[in-house]
Amino acid sequence: QSVLTQPPSVSAAPGQKVTISCSGSSSNIGNNFVSWYHHLPGTAPKLLIYENNKRPSGIPDRFSGSKSGTSATLGITGLQTGDEADYYCGTWDSSLSAGVFGGGTKLTVL
Amino acid sequence: EVQLVQSGAEVKKPGESLRISCKGSGYSFTKYWISWVRQMPGKGLEWMGKIDLSDSYTNYSPSFQGHVTISADTSISTAYLQWSSLKASDTAMYYCARHKDIFEDYWGQGTLVTVSS
Repeated sequence: QSVLTQPPSVSAAPGQKVTISCSGSSSNIGNNFVSWYHHLPGTAPKLLIYENNKRPSGIPDRFSGSKSGTSATLGITGLQTGDEADYYCGTWDSSLSAGVFGGGTKLTVL
Repeated sequence: EVQLVQSGAEVKKPGESLRISCKGSGYSFTKYWISWVRQMPGKGLEWMGKIDLSDSYTNYSPSFQGHVTISADTSISTAYLQWSSLKASDTAMYYCARHKDIFEDYWGQGTLVTVSS
């Protein structure tokens, strides 16, 4: 059971928008920045969003992040078949003194 | 270009020891931490722990404390993840990542560890 809760899967059609939620608590999301990662199993995960809503260089503005209270959301617009992957949220948990990830959400672009 | 290159896949027997590596390049190695992340078959990412390359201070997730050891040799810009006695349940893909603030900004390609009798 992951400390952060994500939906197991989401799906949408090409060109549409999808959001992925990440729910935590005051010891993690509530008091720390959230990051988001794109992952194709067997390959290196890639940072998409850091500090709740900032994009690293090279990440298109189709990807956005937001945080409210103890929850965070990743948004992806203009969906492409190449966006199909697992997406993970992550943050620091001050009670555990450790990093934590969500369970991951599999995005299917129908 | 920041790169983290991990050692190759390993097949070990239960009870054996193992050390896998992660070599950093393209940045000042000792100015960042390196973290290790586990992905068991069909499961999600799990944060294991991190090492401060400036002083080798380590911080482990409670779930992994005592089960693995994270170390580094800064003279060769390499971090390590080590087991003294492997179990079948250690079978997983292991990723190293450059840890910045509270997120991982660059990741290695992963090392598959298979433990089977």
